[in-house]
Amino acid sequence: AQRVTQPEKLLSVFKGAPVELKCNYSYSGSPELFWYVQYSRQRLQLLLRHISRESIKGFTADLNKGETSFHLKKPFAQEEDSAMYYCALRRDDKIIFGKGTRLHILP
Amino acid sequence: EPEVTQTPSHQVTQMGQEVILRCVPISNHLYFYWYRQILGQKVEFLVSFYNNEISEKSEIFDDQFSVERPDGSNFTLKIRSTKLEDSAMYFCASTPQGTGAYTEAFFGQGTRLTVV
Repeated sequence: AQRVTQPEKLLSVFKGAPVELKCNYSYSGSPELFWYVQYSRQRLQLLLRHISRESIKGFTADLNKGETSFHLKKPFAQEEDSAMYYCALRRDDKIIFGKGTRLHILP
Repeated sequence: EPEVTQTPSHQVTQMGQEVILRCVPISNHLYFYWYRQILGQKVEFLVSFYNNEISEKSEIFDDQFSVERPDGSNFTLKIRSTKLEDSAMYFCASTPQGTGAYTEAFFGQGTRLTVV
């Protein structure tokens, strides 16, 4: 079964420290993976997609097929990064979300 | 910037009552979705809709649920006889095409449904 696992419900990181939000997936086939973010009182929005290999707001995520992971990383956390982060996987005509990790940046 | 809008933002209804959640997708989008998020749990897929019919639905989307695109702009989710466990945040989303690797899903702000 296709599944996305985010093991951490909450991650607290000091401003300026590196951030890593973990995501593991199970999928038979070539996965298409995304990170979505939800800032306080705002809607879910796409942060980045693995196929673009892009860096958005300093965040990057590398697909590791051997470890079936798609961890989200940023070298230096900023206060405005505090939000809910969802790892997601596309299957057919829908997106499957993980449970989400709340990132809390400490001053 | 165009966005998906949902109304109402909060709906309180009595158990057993019918409720209709409304969404206006982005105007040139072709695929529409409903997701829900029970408090403290993950965002779950309910249904996708394309070309005036359901293209995929989850196990959650049973006979109590229905979707409709009654005119060229609205996309509605109806729950016929609400149960306490239907209490959740319901998100509408739309995409210009199917959820391909380069396709971004645009989400509404959500409607919080509370069944009492």
